[in-house]
Amino acid sequence: DIVMTQSPDSLAVSLGERATINCKSGQSVLYSSNNKNYLAWYQQKVGQPPKLLIYWASTRESGVPDRFSGSGSGTDFTLTISSLQAEDVAVYYCQQYYSTPYTFGQGTKLEIK
Amino acid sequence: QVQLVQSGAEVKKPGASVKVSCKASGYSFTSYYMHWVRQAPGQGLEWMGIINPSGRSTSYAQKFQGRVTMTRDTSTNTVYMELSSLRSEDTAVYYCARDTTSGAVAGNLFDYWGQGTLVTVSS
Repeated sequence: DIVMTQSPDSLAVSLGERATINCKSGQSVLYSSNNKNYLAWYQQKVGQPPKLLIYWASTRESGVPDRFSGSGSGTDFTLTISSLQAEDVAVYYCQQYYSTPYTFGQGTKLEIK
Repeated sequence: QVQLVQSGAEVKKPGASVKVSCKASGYSFTSYYMHWVRQAPGQGLEWMGIINPSGRSTSYAQKFQGRVTMTRDTSTNTVYMELSSLRSEDTAVYYCARDTTSGAVAGNLFDYWGQGTLVTVSS
């Protein structure tokens, strides 16, 4: 199984400031034949199911604000929120969809400082 | 609009089985694979398996092989997940989640989710 490790486990950021969450995979999730990283990011607010934010490591899902961006390749990835809004308080998960079982990071809890 | 509506909360004794349903609407049911993902209280997300509503084919995470069965009913646009030999560690919210990609090959990420079904296993 591909182990996904996120850092930090929790993060407190002031409104309007940048938030950065990291995700490291136990093996590369870059598929050489199409040069795509099989890495997604989800946001889960309290009491709600997860919401897809980013796929292919850097492609925003339709309707996701452009303050959310993803980067990275191979085994190291980053989710950045450029200017934190109150509604961004949530737990964020990375997920690899390179191989079964499709695995998630342990989550990063984002709060307002 | 796409909706996935799951069955209600369940309380089961250790060793019993539970069957959770997920009724889909707002899209072509047989065009998108469906996944099941669970989340233990206060914990992260765990992928359980996938079903092709069109052809019945399934693939399960090794961890659940032999205990999980995913089925579908195309007459009601409903998928089911049955988990047997329940133990306390199976206490979790179970989600159905639609695959992002229509067609023969699944994308293996999830764009629409059900509201979740809490399954509590307790003696």
